[in-house]
Amino acid sequence: QTVVTQEPSLTVSPGGTVTLTCASSTGAVTSGYYPTWFQQKPGQAPRALIYTTSNKHSWTPARFSGSLLGGKAALTLSGVQPEDEAEYYCLLYCGGDWVFGGGTKLTVL
Amino acid sequence: QVQLVQSGSELKKPGASVKVSCKASGYTFISYAMNWVRQAPGQGLEWMGWINTKTGNPTYAQGFTGRFVFSLDTSVSTAYLQISSLKAEDTAVYYCARDGGSGAYFNYWGQGTLVTVSS
Repeated sequence: QTVVTQEPSLTVSPGGTVTLTCASSTGAVTSGYYPTWFQQKPGQAPRALIYTTSNKHSWTPARFSGSLLGGKAALTLSGVQPEDEAEYYCLLYCGGDWVFGGGTKLTVL
Repeated sequence: QVQLVQSGSELKKPGASVKVSCKASGYTFISYAMNWVRQAPGQGLEWMGWINTKTGNPTYAQGFTGRFVFSLDTSVSTAYLQISSLKAEDTAVYYCARDGGSGAYFNYWGQGTLVTVSS
């Protein structure tokens, strides 16, 4: 079973930039893993932000962007807002199964 | 607009069964696959599997075979998750999540259903 690894926690200042990453235990992440990113706030359902590496949904704020970086999927937040404080999950398609990362708790401080 | 509305919270005793519903609206139900995702208290997200809404064929992730059953009633645009022989460790929020096509997956989510298993 593939393990997908994210940073457990990150802290960023308001207005700053932060990059969250998503690694696969099987090797480099490519677009073929359909990297997908979600935001989840306490007591709420996850909300999809990015699909297939870098594609945004119509509701995704422009400050969120996705990419591949050094063999990992990455989610970059530029000009972070206080409301971006949340848990962020990545999701990879691994050999027929979907596997979530453990989540990154992003603190805006 | 696309909406997935799930049934309300459930409190069950160990050994009982539960059936969670996910009613879809705002789109053609059979056009998109439906996933199920579990989130134990204070924990991360776990993919349970998916159901092909055209054929009704379910696919279960590792660890979700045997006691877990996905089903559909296309006449009322509803997907179901049934869990039998409930255990305390099944206590979690269960989400349905719809795929979007064109490489987009898990686009839309239900609000979640809390299932609590306690004696």
